[in-house]
Amino acid sequence: LAKTTQPISMDSYEGQEVNITCSHNNIATNDYITWYQQFPSQGPRFIIQGYKTKVTNEVASLFIPADRKSSTLSLPRVSLSDTAVYYCLVALTSGNTGKLIFGQGTTLQVKP
Amino acid sequence: NAGVTQTPKFRVLKTGQSMTLLCAQDMNHEYMYWYRQDPGMGLRLIHYSVGEGTTAKGEVPDGYNVSRLKKQNFLLGLESAAPSQTSVYFCASRETNQPQHFGDGTRLSIL
Repeated sequence: LAKTTQPISMDSYEGQEVNITCSHNNIATNDYITWYQQFPSQGPRFIIQGYKTKVTNEVASLFIPADRKSSTLSLPRVSLSDTAVYYCLVALTSGNTGKLIFGQGTTLQVKP
Repeated sequence: NAGVTQTPKFRVLKTGQSMTLLCAQDMNHEYMYWYRQDPGMGLRLIHYSVGEGTTAKGEVPDGYNVSRLKKQNFLLGLESAAPSQTSVYFCASRETNQPQHFGDGTRLSIL
């Protein structure tokens, strides 16, 4: 399984764009990249998933370079409610491997 | 559609007692997972299942057993609880090629 490395913590201010980068040097050909958000006392919640290039949804964008050894979660114009822990997960999503291991996550603190 | 439901939400045990945590999903997902999360830490995979009747070990399986007799349920058992097992336990499920859906967690304290 590909191991992921993220910054432990980041600070930002309301209204700014936040970019969180995840390194996954040994990502396999069939691995997808998935990001989750977790608030205190809650289970993680899916944000976005991608395989290559760029993916955008209503809450975030995911940028993946051609070599796929890293990925960047972009949160536009963050608010106080975006303060949370963000996890990058790289895993085989086809076949029966099934095993999904989380990294340490990035704690994002948004300040007023 | 309730998603992933964990029972109970809170529990206090004494060292040496046994208990079973229940995870139920109504989305007909093949894959189910049990994680534990200690204060200020990330999620660690205990056991998982790739389908009804199957189970597999995760990162930290010692002291836990699991069963997946029905597709919609994934049970996590502690045969002899220890204080080191005090944690928040999260269950998740997913379908092939799809992200995981998580429950709200079970907060377990062992005295």
